[in-house]
Amino acid sequence: EPEVTQTPSHQVTQMGQEVILRCVPISNHLYFYWYRQILGQKVEFLVSFYNNEISEKSEIFDDQFSVERPDGSNFTLKIRSTKLEDSAMYFCASYSAGVGDTQYFGPGTRLTVL
Amino acid sequence: SQKIEQNSEALNIQEGKTATLTCNYTNYSPAYLQWYRQDPGRGPVFLLLIRENEKEKRKERLKVTFDTTLKQSLFHITASQPADSATYLCALDMYSGGGADGLTFGKGTHLIIQP
Repeated sequence: EPEVTQTPSHQVTQMGQEVILRCVPISNHLYFYWYRQILGQKVEFLVSFYNNEISEKSEIFDDQFSVERPDGSNFTLKIRSTKLEDSAMYFCASYSAGVGDTQYFGPGTRLTVL
Repeated sequence: SQKIEQNSEALNIQEGKTATLTCNYTNYSPAYLQWYRQDPGRGPVFLLLIRENEKEKRKERLKVTFDTTLKQSLFHITASQPADSATYLCALDMYSGGGADGLTFGKGTHLIIQP
C-alpha cells in the first residue's frame, strides 16, 4: 500500500540554524500539507500546497517557514532560523482529491532545537 | 474560531466491551468529520470519514455517528481488544470546503483496553 515517507526521523539542531524537513507524498496525490504536534498537545495545521503554490496557511506559518516542491516527488518544509519553541513532531500529509478519499499522514520528523 | 472537544484525556475499558468516544465542536459547520488513530511517536492513521449528510458509518468493529444538530460525533469500537489501545483523534475540515482543506484536530482521547 502506498504511503507518505519523511526524512529524517529525528533532527537535532541549534537555535538559529536552518532546517529542511523532507517528505515524499503518495505518488498520484495532488494536495500536500504540513502539520506539527508539540509534545502533549494537539496536531496543528501549518500549510497546504496545491498546483505549486500555497493554498492555505495558519497563523503559525510565519515568515520563518517556507515550503517547496523542488521536483516531482519531494515536498519540503524549511524553517529559516529555528527557535526553541519550534521543537515538535512535524507531519507531512497528502490527499488525492478522489471521491471518499482523505489525507494520509507520514510517520513524522521529530525536531529538537537546543 | 472553531473548537473541538473530545470527551476525556483517558478512557479505561475492559477487553471485549464497547468503547465510546465523543467529539463535540462549536462555531462551525464542517463538510465532514474524520477519526484518526495515533500511537505514541507516530503519525495519525486514518480510520473513518463521515460526511455532513450521513448519520452513521461502519467499518469492521468501528462505527461513527454524526449529529450536525448537536454538533457531535460518537466513535464506537465494539469487542475491544488491548491492541485498540491508542489515542483517537477527531478532525474537521477547517473551512467547510471538504477534502482539500487543512484539518483541525481535537486533542484526542487516550483509550486503554485492559485485558
